[in-house]
Amino acid sequence: KAGVTQTPRYLIKTRGQQVTLSCSPISGHRSVSWYQQTPGQGLQFLFEYFSETQRNKGNFPGRFSGRQFSNSRSEMNVSTLELGDSALYLCASSQGQGNTEAFFGQGTRLTVV
Amino acid sequence: GENVGLHLPTLSVQEGDNSIINCAYSNSASDYFIWYKQESGKGPQFIIDIRSNMDKRQGQRVTVLLNKTVKHLSLQIAATQPGDSAVYFCAENPNTGNQFYFGTGTSLTVIP
Repeated sequence: KAGVTQTPRYLIKTRGQQVTLSCSPISGHRSVSWYQQTPGQGLQFLFEYFSETQRNKGNFPGRFSGRQFSNSRSEMNVSTLELGDSALYLCASSQGQGNTEAFFGQGTRLTVV
Repeated sequence: GENVGLHLPTLSVQEGDNSIINCAYSNSASDYFIWYKQESGKGPQFIIDIRSNMDKRQGQRVTVLLNKTVKHLSLQIAATQPGDSAVYFCAENPNTGNQFYFGTGTSLTVIP
């Protein structure tokens, strides 16, 4: 069974631009969560999607958004990029409603210059 | 967010020794916990999980202990190997879907 796939692996963007990251969960998993990882803040929850609906949202500005498609694939978008958005963006795939194993992808390393 | 903290930011052990990594959590409503291992340049890798109705769970060379009274979690690695060198995170789920709160991480270095 294939693991969680995130694309692209690396990305360099300029301040003010917008970016879209993609996550394909493990086959059969319906929940996708997104996290931002930085050296200073660690792993911070962005949002979670389950069956195409945003179920939980972390404490990030509205520039961070996401969506989930009917095949459970998810995308997150960051608009008006800031230097501080440079981070490793990770998505985690889970099977069901909650309190189940969450498996991570390799992440997308975003650098904003 | 939730306060999930690790007691030691770094830990060095001799190859073959046992390692113990600790974690404190603050939400007494949390009922599901996961330990992750993250190697440089990779995403977190699931190691072992435990639910709040248990106080101990064993895997291959790893054991997780949960003390709900003092809201403490630990990961024990038996016969630590060089390949165990990584950053270890504990994560708690306060029963809000698949939203996890992560600790700051402990960097484990295994000395050959």
